[in-house]
Amino acid sequence: AQKVTQAQTEISVVEKEDVTLDCVYETRDTTYYLFWYKQPPSGELVFLIRRNSFDEQNEISGRYSWNFQKSTSSFNFTITASQVVDSAVYFCALSEAKTGGSYIPTFGRGTSLIVHP
Amino acid sequence: KAGVTQTPRYLIKTRGQQVTLSCSPISGHRSVSWYQQTPGQGLQFLFEYFSETQRNKGNFPGRFSGRQFSNSRSEMNVSTLELGDSALYLCASMSVGGTEAFFGQGTRLTVV
Repeated sequence: AQKVTQAQTEISVVEKEDVTLDCVYETRDTTYYLFWYKQPPSGELVFLIRRNSFDEQNEISGRYSWNFQKSTSSFNFTITASQVVDSAVYFCALSEAKTGGSYIPTFGRGTSLIVHP
Repeated sequence: KAGVTQTPRYLIKTRGQQVTLSCSPISGHRSVSWYQQTPGQGLQFLFEYFSETQRNKGNFPGRFSGRQFSNSRSEMNVSTLELGDSALYLCASMSVGGTEAFFGQGTRLTVV
């Protein structure tokens, strides 16, 4: 069964600090997808990034970067030079193929990021 | 392109009542999934509908049901409400062959 663990419940930083959110996953499938979502106080889950199991290339997009390592089953997410607007709950998710070929994400418990001015 | 729309945003119901929540997916998306989010259990998958058929189901009691219409809009129904059903209910849509789910703002249900 698939499982996602986000060990950090809450992280508090001061604006402009870099912050890394940890995610460890478990799956028996060889084909799967990993995601990061952001949930601001409004409630909507905002899709940030997707990685498939065959693509370990790490990437930087603006202030966001990702570190995917299959050897340690980790998919960590870093925000550089954090801003107050980054304050939100961040969810890591894992999808495996389900009935009908659909991919239903399983979510971690989330990490609450608080960025102080 | 409009995002996923959920109505209503907030609901207060009494124990024992039933409730219906609505979700309009992104135009062209045919898969609609529902999630329950609570502080204690986190985000839990309820069910997924595709082409008016339930394609996948989570571990929730039969009081939770859903349906999808020919225009891909979906409704979720909870009967005989319990206090523990108080939660944020999120709907997500996905394109055919897509892998990322796009979420609505949710319906916050409070059962008193």
